[in-house]
Amino acid sequence: GQNIDQPTEMTATEGAIVQINCTYQTSGFNGLFWYQQHAGEAPTFLSYNVLDGLEEKGRFSSFLSRSKGYSYLLLKELQMKDSASYLCAVRSLYGGATNKLIFGTGTLLAVQP
Amino acid sequence: KAGVTQTPRYLIKTRGQQVTLSCSPISGHRSVSWYQQTPGQGLQFLFEYFSETQRNKGNFPGRFSGRQFSNSRSEMNVSTLELGDSALYLCASSLGGVGTDTQYFGPGTRLTVL
Repeated sequence: GQNIDQPTEMTATEGAIVQINCTYQTSGFNGLFWYQQHAGEAPTFLSYNVLDGLEEKGRFSSFLSRSKGYSYLLLKELQMKDSASYLCAVRSLYGGATNKLIFGTGTLLAVQP
Repeated sequence: KAGVTQTPRYLIKTRGQQVTLSCSPISGHRSVSWYQQTPGQGLQFLFEYFSETQRNKGNFPGRFSGRQFSNSRSEMNVSTLELGDSALYLCASSLGGVGTDTQYFGPGTRLTVL
């Protein structure tokens, strides 16, 4: 089967660092994406990992371990505007060449002053 | 470059009716994917179109269908609407190459079925 797990909610303090974990089980793994979604808005692309290791992009970093089926998104120097839902998604080639993404249910992050 | 656009942004329908939603991808993008987002289930893949052909389909009933035009614009149709079809319908576009693509989402169409 194909399954993605991430915590439902997290709370953190402005200026701090938070790590959002994602574990997955999927056939035909072909990359893992992180998206940010503010309430009532479209998901916006944050990061993409296809090889093991850390990808850094400003205040955001994402890590992937394919052997463990594990990824995390690291947010540094948290700002109030980072309060949003963070979606972990895996691209699966199961069933053929496709850009199908399988999403977790998202982690709702609340940043407090 | 303009982003992904979706019309209409909001729709209210009653059970049994049908609905058509439209998606215009980013210029140059040839792949359009559709997703349904609900509070309980999260984002679920409906189907993907590339060069006017359906490339993959999710686990949704046949009431959900779609198509893509030669200019890459896509429509999805839901017939015989049910209360459970109330959701945010998102489309995402990408260049079309498998294995390297990033999908960019439109603002979505909020469908309410009464």
